[in-house]
Amino acid sequence: QKEVEQNSGPLSVPEGAIASLNCTYSDRGSQSFFWYRQYSGKSPELIMSIYSNGDKEDGRFTAQLNKASQYVSLLIRDSQPSDSATYLCAVTLGGATNKLIFGTGTLLAVQP
Amino acid sequence: GAVVSQHPSRVICKSGTSVKIECRSLDFQATTMFWYRQFPKKSLMLMATSNEGSKATYEQGVEKDKFLINHASLTLSTLTVTSAHPEDSSFYICSARTPGQGEFWGNTIYFGEGSWLTVV
Repeated sequence: QKEVEQNSGPLSVPEGAIASLNCTYSDRGSQSFFWYRQYSGKSPELIMSIYSNGDKEDGRFTAQLNKASQYVSLLIRDSQPSDSATYLCAVTLGGATNKLIFGTGTLLAVQP
Repeated sequence: GAVVSQHPSRVICKSGTSVKIECRSLDFQATTMFWYRQFPKKSLMLMATSNEGSKATYEQGVEKDKFLINHASLTLSTLTVTSAHPEDSSFYICSARTPGQGEFWGNTIYFGEGSWLTVV
């Protein structure tokens, strides 16, 4: 079982719609959860971080964390074509190393 | 947000030569930096964790003698690809962890711009 799993997509949504991206992780001791956006050929850019169960909102982005289900999601409201990118879920594993492990990413395509 | 600078952004080298990539945290001290590589349309694979003043911790399957990591100061880590071969061609990305309120909480990891390595 992969440590961090995502649907590779592509996820296609019309402009203005809500895009929902999902991620599951295997290590119950995981403490920190992140969503990164990566445009083709570029380095990942931090979108959201979340540490506690529940929702965290920042502008058009909402991260949701459910540690019991080992599930983290990202909602993008009012999707724009510029949101088209690969979204990477990343999890800090439990323990002293605090390594950041990435999922394979979900390709989001927002159609104008 | 925190700034991490990586240099060079692109490098082409001949097979058999060595290439050094630098990663700097510009506005914070990073006791820990991470090196990743990414093949086209694939996810980031952690290569090693670089700790200031001590030896790097390599992930399983990563050759430490081929990918030399040095973290000589709190703001600089370097990755040297030794005796490079065409299969080493990849996108190499460093990241640095900002100091947090606790060991696990409040830490955020920022990425450099990445370095494209092409070995010919």
